[in-house]
Amino acid sequence: AQSVTQLDSQVPVFEEAPVELRCNYSSSVSVYLFWYVQYPNQGLQLLLKYLSGSTLVKGINGFEAEFNKSQTSFHLRKPSVHISDTAEYFCAVIANTGGFKTIFGAGTRLFVKA
Amino acid sequence: DAGVIQSPRHEVTEMGQEVTLRCKLISGHNSLFWYRQTMMRGLELLIYFNNNVPIDDSGMPEDRFSAKMPNASFSTLKIQPSEPRDSAVYFCASIPAGQSLGEKLFFGSGTQLSVL
Repeated sequence: AQSVTQLDSQVPVFEEAPVELRCNYSSSVSVYLFWYVQYPNQGLQLLLKYLSGSTLVKGINGFEAEFNKSQTSFHLRKPSVHISDTAEYFCAVIANTGGFKTIFGAGTRLFVKA
Repeated sequence: DAGVIQSPRHEVTEMGQEVTLRCKLISGHNSLFWYRQTMMRGLELLIYFNNNVPIDDSGMPEDRFSAKMPNASFSTLKIQPSEPRDSAVYFCASIPAGQSLGEKLFFGSGTQLSVL
């Protein structure tokens, strides 16, 4: 079985500052990794995903994430945040052994202050 | 194409009443997922279907919950009888047919359920 741990439930940050949202996963098999974003009163949207290849993945809105197999981590980063990045961010995994069962972390609320 | 459509957007009911949540998939999608989101437990997978067949229902909390996919484009999640602890946002999500692993989920806007 897979599990996802998002280490921070809330991250407050000032506008134009860098941010890192942490994600660790646990799995006995190889996984695919995702970051989704949820804006207020909306469903989740994909930010980026790691399937294979380069461990640094770039997504939409200037976000990027780095897959670290030895540390079983997939942290999300942005060098300079905007007010509009205020949202909830979810890390997720799928085992690459078959099936589409996607397991999400508990989420990290990013709050960007002016 | 319209996205995943969930109805109703908001549902307020009294304890003991039956609640039915509905989801219409995007055309051409054949995998469907029901998730529940709460502050305490985050986003939990309740059940998922592939080609109208339930594949994994291990997340369904108890017998009060049931889900059906009567055809390729529609699903319902029923709670009978409902309890206050069922209050949450329920999301439906889908994946296009013929996709390989690693395809993203397409989410609906959710149904906010309040059981009084």
